Amino acid sequence: QTVVTQEPSFSVSPGGTVTLTCGLTSGSVSTSHYPSWYQQTPGQAPRTLIYSTNTRSSGVPDRFSGSILGNKAALTITGAQADDESDYYCVLYVGRGFWVFGGGTKLTVL
Amino acid sequence: EVQLVESGGDLVQPGGSLRLSCEDSGFTFSSYWMTWVRQAPGKGLEWVANINQDGGEKNYVDSVKGRFTISRDNAKNSLYLQMNSLREEDTAVYYCAKGQQMGRWGQGTLVTVSS
Repeated sequence: QTVVTQEPSFSVSPGGTVTLTCGLTSGSVSTSHYPSWYQQTPGQAPRTLIYSTNTRSSGVPDRFSGSILGNKAALTITGAQADDESDYYCVLYVGRGFWVFGGGTKLTVL
Repeated sequence: EVQLVESGGDLVQPGGSLRLSCEDSGFTFSSYWMTWVRQAPGKGLEWVANINQDGGEKNYVDSVKGRFTISRDNAKNSLYLQMNSLREEDTAVYYCAKGQQMGRWGQGTLVTVSS
């Protein structure tokens, strides 16, 4: 059973920088897991931010960036804005066509 | 802009069946893997199933294997999810998404399984 881990919650000050992570309970995350990141506000469908580790989806501002940091995938938001307050989910490819989402991080901007 | 529109969600009793549809208004539907993702009320996202471009490869999360069937009709730019033997824990908003990496999402359709 593959479990993808994310911080349950995080807070950042307006204008600040925050890094959310996405890990595995067993093993390290690499580019071979094709980590992707999604933003979701209440009552709305998810919006794709990043795919294949660090490729921004169309229309996503460059203050959102993806990377591998140590043994985890990471989403960094630079210059946080009030409307960045959302739930953020990562997903990892775990092989044989299967993908697993993390539990999500609730980001508060205050 | 690519639009994915899901339909078919409803209230159904445990043990019942439902068929969800997802229509893609874009021109490249047949070139992409397609994915179903669900979100139970107040919970996170759960990957459910995906299907390759010609329908020859299908993958399912363990909890739906043997009960759900993903399919597609490229002539109709449409994706389907046939859900049988529904359980209360299948209650969720079901989203279709374009690609294995889920680059574009529909608005979702609500499935409620309850007696």
